[in-house]
Amino acid sequence: EAQVTQNPRYLITVTGKKLTVTCSQNMNHEYMSWYRQDPGLGLRQIYYSMNVEVTDKGDVPEGYKVSRKEKRNFPLILESPSPNQTSLYFCASSLGVDRGIYNEQFFGPGTRLTVL
Amino acid sequence: AQSVAQPEDQVNVAEGNPLTVKCTYSVSGNPYLFWYVQYPNRGLQFLLKYITGDNLVKGSYGFEAEFNKSQTSFHLKKPSALVSDSALYFCAVRSLADRGSTLGRLYFGRGTQLTVWP
Repeated sequence: EAQVTQNPRYLITVTGKKLTVTCSQNMNHEYMSWYRQDPGLGLRQIYYSMNVEVTDKGDVPEGYKVSRKEKRNFPLILESPSPNQTSLYFCASSLGVDRGIYNEQFFGPGTRLTVL
Repeated sequence: AQSVAQPEDQVNVAEGNPLTVKCTYSVSGNPYLFWYVQYPNRGLQFLLKYITGDNLVKGSYGFEAEFNKSQTSFHLKKPSALVSDSALYFCAVRSLADRGSTLGRLYFGRGTQLTVWP
């Protein structure tokens, strides 16, 4: 089954304790992206990757890191989480941007993070 | 800067009635427009997109959207609403003007909660 998986689905942690949220897709997609969803703010893009070893900032990159060493995986790293990073996080993937054609994204089920 | 506005936080409609969820956008250059739906405790699912061509786009579950360049709008519509259409709907835009480090940017609206009552 074609899918985007995220782990963990739920996480409660404390301020300053480094954490990683994993994202994996099995569709051989070039493009992957991380979003956070907050009430009243919709989805905001954190980072995205056009392909392996290529990453760029989105709207709200501060406090986050990403890496894309393999095509299927795109982990989100919070090196020193703070309470304002409490949110619902989504990973998404799509086929690459080919001659300006943007393809629809497939979303993971979400990771609900609480930072105390 | 590119942006998307969904002017209504909430839309309520009776089952069987037509529904409209509004979206306006602001981009430099031509837009690529998308609608996504989010059911409770789920990720977003793609509904439809406008790239080029016919201004009326048909998508999943009987939804359609009309691209209006002069009004910079991309409203989502359905002729007859179902209770199962109740969900959170997001409009999103990409700009053909984005290049280099912004090539992969996607801008979402704040979402509109659609409630269809029996």
